[in-house]
Order: sequence, then C-alpha cells, then structure tokens
Amino acid sequence: AQSVTQPDIHITVSEGASLELRCNYSYGATPYLFWYVQSPGQGLQLLLKYFSGDTLVQGIKGFEAEFKRSQSSFNLRKPSVHWSDAAEYFCAVGTMNYGGSQGNLIFGKGTKLSVKP
Amino acid sequence: KAGVTQTPRYLIKTRGQQVTLSCSPISGHRSVSWYQQTPGQGLQFLFEYFSETQRNKGNFPGRFSGRQFSNSRSEMNVSTLELGDSALYLCASSLEPNSPLHFGNGTRLTVT
Repeated sequence: AQSVTQPDIHITVSEGASLELRCNYSYGATPYLFWYVQSPGQGLQLLLKYFSGDTLVQGIKGFEAEFKRSQSSFNLRKPSVHWSDAAEYFCAVGTMNYGGSQGNLIFGKGTKLSVKP
Repeated sequence: KAGVTQTPRYLIKTRGQQVTLSCSPISGHRSVSWYQQTPGQGLQFLFEYFSETQRNKGNFPGRFSGRQFSNSRSEMNVSTLELGDSALYLCASSLEPNSPLHFGNGTRLTVT
C-alpha cells in the first residue's frame, strides 16, 4: 500500500538559515509527488509537484524539492528561511488510479516548522 | 477569481445528529475532493467527484457520503455523528482530476 513518511514532527530553524524537510514514500510505480503548506486556520497551498522529468523541481516562495528514486525520497529545501515560512508542511503522493488522479492523495503526517528570529 | 469556499466555517453538533457541509469550487473547476484532517490521523482522503460522478472513495464508513451537483458544487454528509468525527474537513477543487488541487479553508466540526 502507498504511504508517506515525514520523520520530523517539528523543526526549528533560525531566520536566514537553510531548511530541508524530509519525505519518504512507498509506492509501487512512478509516483506523483507533492509538497503542500498549511498556515494556522487555513487550507493547504501547493508549493510544488513532481510528475516526471527533471528530478529537481522548483516551486513557489523559493522552495525546491529533489526526487530520488533510489532513496524513495522527495525532500523539500529552501536556502534561506523567512519568518513567514513558519507553518506546517505536508508531503503527499498521488496514486495512479484513473490515470493519476490528483484528487486522491496520500499525505504524510506533516512537519511543523518554527522560525527563530 | 474567488477561491474554494466552504460553509460553514465552524459547526458544533451532538452525537447521533447528522451534518451537511458545503463546498463551492473555483469557477470552472469540475473536480472536487474531500479530506478529513485530525491531529491523530492527519489528512485522510474521503471522496473525489468529477462531473457529478464519484471517482474515488477513501476508507471511511458508509455514514460518510457526498455528492456533486451540475454546477460542480459539492456537499458531504455525515450521519449518526460520533465523537471521533470531530475534525477539520477540507474541500479541494481542480479543473479536472489531473490538475493541481486548490484547497478551501475547511469546516471545523466539533461533535459533543
């Protein structure tokens, strides 16, 4: 069965420092992979997605992620964190049912990011 | 363009009651998905609708049901509410099933 693991429940980084959030997935075929961000009281916003092609994916707000098939990982990175990046981040895998419908996503449990001034 | 609108934002119900949540997708979007978010289980897929047809259904009991109307608006219904149904229910829409999901801010349901 498909699954997504985000090993870090909570991460604190200093403003201006680099960030890497880990994501490991379990899926039998080529996955569709996503990173979403959720601010308190808000819904989820798509940061970036990987379907195929270049394994380094650029997203919004200066985020990028790298797909590593051999490690079943899709880690999210940002070179310099801003205070406004404090939020919860979710990695998700899309199943291949019905031609890779994005409507049925399996999410990790999330990583809460705190930013120190 | 208006985003995904979910109503109501907050809801308090008693065990055994039923509840209906509403979702208006972004104009032009024809696919709507529903997710339940709880601290313990995280985000779990409930259903996906496209052109009034349910395409996918998550692993939830039959008390959870949904539908989509011809204008793409969607509702989900939970009957015989249990305490464990307390959660944030998120709706997401997309142009079609293979397009990026846009989430609403959710409906916070509390069952007492």
